[in-house]
Amino acid sequence: NAGVMQNPRHLVRRRGQEARLRCSPMKGHSHVYWYRQLPEEGLKFMVYLQKENIIDESGMPKERFSAEFPKEGPSILRIQQVVRGDSAAYFCASSPASGRKTSSYNEQFFGPGTRLTVL
Amino acid sequence: DQQVKQNSPSLSVQEGRISILNCDYTNSMFDYFLWYKKYPAEGPTFLISISSIKDKNEDGRFTVFLNKSAKHLSLHIVPSQPGDSAVYFCAPVNSGGYQKVTFGTGTKLQVIP
Repeated sequence: NAGVMQNPRHLVRRRGQEARLRCSPMKGHSHVYWYRQLPEEGLKFMVYLQKENIIDESGMPKERFSAEFPKEGPSILRIQQVVRGDSAAYFCASSPASGRKTSSYNEQFFGPGTRLTVL
Repeated sequence: DQQVKQNSPSLSVQEGRISILNCDYTNSMFDYFLWYKKYPAEGPTFLISISSIKDKNEDGRFTVFLNKSAKHLSLHIVPSQPGDSAVYFCAPVNSGGYQKVTFGTGTKLQVIP
């Protein structure tokens, strides 16, 4: 049973280019979370998606960043017109279920991350 | 607004001794508390958790203690092994929300053989 897969593992972009990060959740998981880890910091929540829906994007920067999780295919985190401050490790996690009405925690399984370097 | 603090960025412990990693939080809505372990160039992996209705949870060499009144939790590893050397993140969850995990800044543990 494959774990969460992310590609590419390393991505180098020049300022002003676009970065596309992909995440394939574990089999049977329909919930995806994206986190960003800046150097010397902890992981910070960015966005939570279910198939074809953005549920919580409270951690996403207002501009240049977008995320989707289509009915078919991986989840995509897209960063337009990258700047040096976007250089970070981006982690995706998936879980089998989540939601406000549940009273139990559903473990999130993390991928290996994509390390974005902006030159 | 830093809701989760791990005040020790690094910790060195001799093999066989106890490692104690601490975490303080401010959000009273957190009701599950997770610890993740992370090796370089890898994603975090779940280690152990505790529900807010408990004050202790033990799993092999790992024990997590929760003091709700003090909004403090700690992870004890005993005996510590060189393979435990990693960055440990305290990660509370509000299960009544969308279960996004709030990570602390991490403590880098080095176990010296």
